Amino acid sequence: SQQGEEDPQALSIQEGENATMNCSYKTSINNLQWYRQNSGRGLVHLILIRSNEREKHSGRLRVTLDTSKKSSSLLITASRAADTASYFCATDVFSAGANNLFFGTGTRLTVIP
Amino acid sequence: DAGVIQSPRHEVTEMGQEVTLRCKPISGHNSLFWYRQTMMRGLELLIYFNNNVPIDDSGMPEDRFSAKMPNASFSTLKIQPSEPRDSAVYFCASSWGQGYSGTEAFFGQGTRLTVV
Repeated sequence: SQQGEEDPQALSIQEGENATMNCSYKTSINNLQWYRQNSGRGLVHLILIRSNEREKHSGRLRVTLDTSKKSSSLLITASRAADTASYFCATDVFSAGANNLFFGTGTRLTVIP
Repeated sequence: DAGVIQSPRHEVTEMGQEVTLRCKPISGHNSLFWYRQTMMRGLELLIYFNNNVPIDDSGMPEDRFSAKMPNASFSTLKIQPSEPRDSAVYFCASSWGQGYSGTEAFFGQGTRLTVV
């Protein structure tokens, strides 16, 4: 399976702390993406990092990518209660003439006010 | 654009009945994905289309599941006959993928299916 795996499965932190989530995958990728899902809602794209990039920032989000280790991390700084959600990594793999998107198992983040 | 539109939002049906889920992707996108999400199995890719052509349906659990994309603006996922274990949230997503320059996927709000 090309599906990624997130670690940890669940994370609980205090508001203001930083949250770090990790993702590992198995095959060569075009890019890696992080998504957020609030309970009962669809997934929302957060950030995309291409295979030739090592780090990317967007607001309070920082993503790193290590293609040699086939791993990525998502850091949310100065967390807020509103950041409570599930976070998924997704790998974009080009095969059979098309782009496919494989999702990991997700990390459930709870930010305690 | 209104985003990816799925219908219905909720569906409750009896075991053995046929269920049809619908999806309208974002105009201009050339890739469409159907996912199923459950607590036990997480987010599973069922099938994806590129330029209306099914590329990989290896995630379709059984022959009871079928998906079509008759044109660039519409796709259906059909379950016939439905079973209680099919109960899940089904998501449709679309994206613009161009070889090694794939981009983000946009998800619909999902269809919550309950088979009793």
